[in-house]
Amino acid sequence: EIVLTQSPATLSLSPGEGATLSCRASQSVGSSLAWYQQRPGQAPRLLIYDATDRATGIPARFSGSGSGTDFTLTINSLEPDDFAVYYCQQRRHWITFGQGTRLEIK
Amino acid sequence: EVQLVESGGGLVQPGRSLRLSCAASGFTFQNYYIHWVRQAPGKGLEWVSAISWNSASIGYADSVKGRFTITRDDAKNSVYLQMNSLRVEDTAFYYCAKELRGHSDSSPDSWGQGTLVTVSS
Repeated sequence: EIVLTQSPATLSLSPGEGATLSCRASQSVGSSLAWYQQRPGQAPRLLIYDATDRATGIPARFSGSGSGTDFTLTINSLEPDDFAVYYCQQRRHWITFGQGTRLEIK
Repeated sequence: EVQLVESGGGLVQPGRSLRLSCAASGFTFQNYYIHWVRQAPGKGLEWVSAISWNSASIGYADSVKGRFTITRDDAKNSVYLQMNSLRVEDTAFYYCAKELRGHSDSSPDSWGQGTLVTVSS
């Protein structure tokens, strides 16, 4: 099983600031890495797929980078709706998710 | 518009069975992998199972292998999750999701709203 480790567990920032979320895989997943946002009471929302491609309707403030085992989700100029939980997910061998990063308002 | 609607959740005693359904619309169902993902209340996402567009490739998480069975009925645009020998730790919201691209491995891009399964005596 491919294990994904996200850091930090919680990130406290203010609107307007930038956020950097990390995801490390226990073995290479190539570029088969996605990022999701989940707000309370809602289903996950796909933000980034194939490590760097934004899903339909996702603002350019969200960007993904990395390949192999180390990946980053960057959110520029945080807006109030961005404060949520973010998960990385690999699709190299079936699916596994990271444990999530909670982005909270400072 | 893509829609995925889960049903079949509820309260069940440990050791009993439950069958979840996922009804899909708005896309060419027979071309896509469908996944089940669960989330215990207040916890993270856990992949449960997936079935390929032609049912030739089926996978399960170790935590449910041997107890859960996934099937699909393309005539009804539906996927099912038969859950047997349920445990308290199976309590969760269960989501079905379709993959981004047809006829290939890709990440899920559309999700249902989930159905709650509670396993308790």
